Amino acid sequence: KAGVTQTPRYLIKTRGQQVTLSCSPISGHRSVSWYQQTPGQGLQFLFEYFSETQRNKGNFPGRFSGRQFSNSRSEMNVSTLELGDSALYLCASSLEAGTGELYGYTFGSGTRLTVV
Amino acid sequence: AQSVTQLGSHVSVSEGALVLLRCNYSSSVPPYLFWYVQYPNQGLQLLLKYTTGATLVKGINGFEAEFKKSETSFHLTKPSAHMSDAAEYFCAVSGEGQNFVFGPGTRLSVLP
Repeated sequence: KAGVTQTPRYLIKTRGQQVTLSCSPISGHRSVSWYQQTPGQGLQFLFEYFSETQRNKGNFPGRFSGRQFSNSRSEMNVSTLELGDSALYLCASSLEAGTGELYGYTFGSGTRLTVV
Repeated sequence: AQSVTQLGSHVSVSEGALVLLRCNYSSSVPPYLFWYVQYPNQGLQLLLKYTTGATLVKGINGFEAEFKKSETSFHLTKPSAHMSDAAEYFCAVSGEGQNFVFGPGTRLSVLP
């Protein structure tokens, strides 16, 4: 069974641009969460989607947004990129809303975003 | 609110030696506790988890962890380190109706 797939794996963007990252969860998983990982701040929760609805949101500015499609695939978008947005963005899926907290999440390999 | 602390951002052990990675948590509800491992340029892989029941939990790759409520701890151990264990390890806490919160991570180096 395929794991969580994130595309692209690497991305280089210029300050001020916008970027869209994609995540396909494990087949049958309906909940998708996004995390930002940086050396200074560690793993920080961005948001969680379930049934095409944002279920939970972390403490990030409005430049960070996401959505989920009917097939559970999710995208996150960052507008007006800043140098500090350079990070590894990780997607994680779980079976249903709330099951991640109970059973743990399955993570993708991430998208490494570099802003220059 | 929940939080996780991991003592030691970097731990070095010799190959064959005991691995001990420390995790302490705070939680206002009965905690669910997790250990994840991250290899370079990879995502996080679940090593083991505690939700209810037996407080000594066995995971993959020979790792285990013990939930000690009185000490609010969930330390990760492995009797004998292998070179392949070199990675970053994250402890995480959640609970009923609570968000998943990660600790800052501990980088494990294994010396030949």
